[in-house]
This record gives sequence, structure tokens and C-alpha cells, in this order.
Amino acid sequence: DMKVTQMPRYLIKRMGENVLLECGQDMSHETMYWYRQDPGLGLQLIYISYDVDSNSEGDIPKGYRVSRKKREHFSLILDSAKTNQTSVYFCASSSGGRGSDYTFGSGTRLLVI
Amino acid sequence: KTQVEQSPQSLVVRQGENCVLQCNYSVTPDNHLRWFKQDTGKGLVSLTVLVDQKDKTSNGRYSATLDKDAKHSTLHITATLLDDTATYICVVGDRGSALGRLHFGAGTQLIVIP
Repeated sequence: DMKVTQMPRYLIKRMGENVLLECGQDMSHETMYWYRQDPGLGLQLIYISYDVDSNSEGDIPKGYRVSRKKREHFSLILDSAKTNQTSVYFCASSSGGRGSDYTFGSGTRLLVI
Repeated sequence: KTQVEQSPQSLVVRQGENCVLQCNYSVTPDNHLRWFKQDTGKGLVSLTVLVDQKDKTSNGRYSATLDKDAKHSTLHITATLLDDTATYICVVGDRGSALGRLHFGAGTQLIVIP
């Protein structure tokens, strides 16, 4: 069963703590994404990765960094979390192109207090 | 500025009724358009992708249209079921490759009542 797996599903952190969100996919997709979803807004792209160690900033990269050392694994790191980073974070993967499937994980709900 | 606008913002229908969701966008170029279904607390699941200047797709009870001249798409759901309760998200891709970006609407929340 092809899927994108995100861990953890729920996370509560204090302001200033470091946060690690993990994402894995079993489809050997080259391209992976991190998005955040806030109420009333469309998903916003944080980072995109085209393959191992080939990452590019999305539309809202400030306060985030990523790591992709294996094709099947893509991590999102928040160094010193802020309360405005409270959100639902989605990881996705794609083989690329308009005919390809985009597969999304179930999301990580992060609360920064 | 929001480049993908969906309407209505929310919609309540009775089971068995049909409904139509609208998507207007200003994304340029508009290589393709996708509709996703998002159940509460879950990820997005692709329903269909439209690519041609004037395109139509059908996937069971879901059918969709795209008019790139009008930059407008519709998603029709026929004979709604309780399980159709979800948020439906319109997404425009600006390129046909992984180098492109996806532009997401905020979604239409559909509630199907018995």
C-alpha cells in the first residue's frame, strides 16, 4: 500500500524548544514537500526537495529548515519554535509532473505554547 | 493575494442530493488543476486532475470541468452520501513538472446530512 507516513501525529512544545517532524514514503518518489495548513487558508509550501540533499525554499521558509539524507525520508526542523508556528503540517511526495499522483501524509498537529 | 478562490465556503446538503463546487483562479500559467478531498483530521486525497484547455473528467459520482479561458473549474457530486462530508480543495499547478508549484484554495466544507 503506497503511502506517506508522518510522525508524530500530535505534538505540544514550549516556545523556544526545537521541533523535529519526520516524514517517510515508500514509493521511491524523487520529490517531497512540506506544507502547513492554517484555518481559512490554502496549504502553504515551506520547502520542496527534488532528491537527496537537493532542497529549495518554498513560499514561507523562514523559521524552518529541512533535511533529506535518504530518498524515502524528509525531515522538517523548527529551531526555537514560536507560537505562530502552531499549525498542521503536511508532508507530500510526487513523482513529478501533472500526470503524477500527489500523495499526502495525514498531518502533524503542532501546538507551540 | 489569494490566487485560487473557492465557493461556497461551506455547504450543507441532504443525502441523495447533488451539489456543485466552484473554483476560480488567477494562477498563470495554469498547466493543470486538481481536486482533492480532505476528511477531518486527515490528509488530502486526489479525486481528479484536469489538463486540457476545456476538459472534463468523471470518477464515479464525482465529475469535474475545467475552462482555462475563464480560469474556472467545477466539481459535481451526484447522489451525495454521508461519507462525502469533507473539505474539497481546488489546486492549480503552474507547470507540468516537479519544478512547478501547486497553488491551493482554502477549500469548500461540504456537510451531508441524513
